[in-house]
Order: sequence, then C-alpha cells, then structure tokens
Amino acid sequence: AQSVTQLDSHVSVSEGTPVLLRCNYSSSYSPSLFWYVQHPNKGLQLLLKYTSAATLVKGINGFEAEFKKSETSFHLTKPSAHMSDAAEYFCVVSDLSNTGKLIFGQGTTLQVKP
Amino acid sequence: DAGVTQSPTHLIKTRGQQVTLRCSPKSGHDTVSWYQQALGQGPQFIFQYYEEEERQRGNFPDRFSGHQFPNYSSELNVNALLLGDSALYLCASSTRGWYQETQYFGPGTRLLVL
Repeated sequence: AQSVTQLDSHVSVSEGTPVLLRCNYSSSYSPSLFWYVQHPNKGLQLLLKYTSAATLVKGINGFEAEFKKSETSFHLTKPSAHMSDAAEYFCVVSDLSNTGKLIFGQGTTLQVKP
Repeated sequence: DAGVTQSPTHLIKTRGQQVTLRCSPKSGHDTVSWYQQALGQGPQFIFQYYEEEERQRGNFPDRFSGHQFPNYSSELNVNALLLGDSALYLCASSTRGWYQETQYFGPGTRLLVL
C-alpha cells in the first residue's frame, strides 16, 4: 500500500531564507506524487506533481521538488521564502490500487518570520 | 473559468441530524471526489463519483453517501451525524482516466456538529 510521511510537523524560516519541507513515500511501484498547499480557510492548491517524466519538478511560486527513488523521498524546496508562503503543506501520493484516491501526509505548517 | 465550487461554506448541525453538501466541478471535468479533513489532519478520501455512480470508496461508514447528477455536480449526504463528523469537507474534480490526473479542490464546507 502507498503512504507518505512528512518528517516535520512545523518548520519555521526567516523571510528570504531557503525552505525545505521533507517527505518520504512508500510505494511498490513508481508513484505519482504531489505537493499541495492550503492557506488558512482556503481549499487545497496544487504546487507541483511528479509523474515519472523528470525527477526535478518545478511548480508554482518558485517551489520545486526532487524525486529520489533510492531515498524514497520527494522533498519540497524554495530558494527564498516570502511571507505569503506561510501555510500548511501536504505531500500526497496517488493510490495505484484505487485510482480515485489521493493519500495525504499529515501536513507541515510553514511559518515565515519577518 | 470558475474552479470547483462548494456550498454552503459553513454549516452547524446537531447530533443525529442529516446534512447535504454540494459541489460543482471545474469546467470540463467529469469526476468528483470527496474528502474529509479533521482539524490538524490531512484529508481522508471518502468516495469518488463518475458517470453518476460511486466508483471508489474509502474507509467510511454507510452513513456517508453521495450522488452525481448528469451535469457532473455532486452531493455528499451524511446521516445520523456524530460529533466526530465535524470537519472540513473538500470536493475535488478531475477527468476520468489514468491515476496521474490532477485533482482540483474546492474551498470546502466546514461542518460543525453539536
């Protein structure tokens, strides 16, 4: 069965410094992986997705993620944090046995300090 | 182009009551999935509708049921509400097909059961 583990429940950075949100996945097959962001009282917005085309995936708002099969990781990075990046971030894997189902991690709260 | 819309935005019910939540998918999408997000948790898959039938289901009791209409909009019904049903209910739309299809989320309906 597929699963994802977000290694940090809370990450705090200063504005202008790099962001690293860590995610490990478990899958028997080559997975589809996503990062979604949720701002307070908002729905989920897709940041980026990996579907086996390229291991380095670029998303919106300067975010990118690298798929590393050997490490079963899909960490999200951004070179320079903005105040507007403060939100909840979810690492997500698509369930191969249940094509309608997305499996979410527990989420990482990103705090950006001025 | 309107994205995924949901109504109502907020709802307060008492234990034992029944509730109906509504979702209109993004233009061009024919598949609707529903998720429950408890406070501080990642969303959990409830079920998915395509061609007016439930195609996939997560680990939720039969109190949770749904419907899809010919215009692809969908309803989520929850009977005999429990306090534990208090959550944000998210609707996501996509096009039916390979599991790599991106799901686009609405802003959610926040349900409080007293």
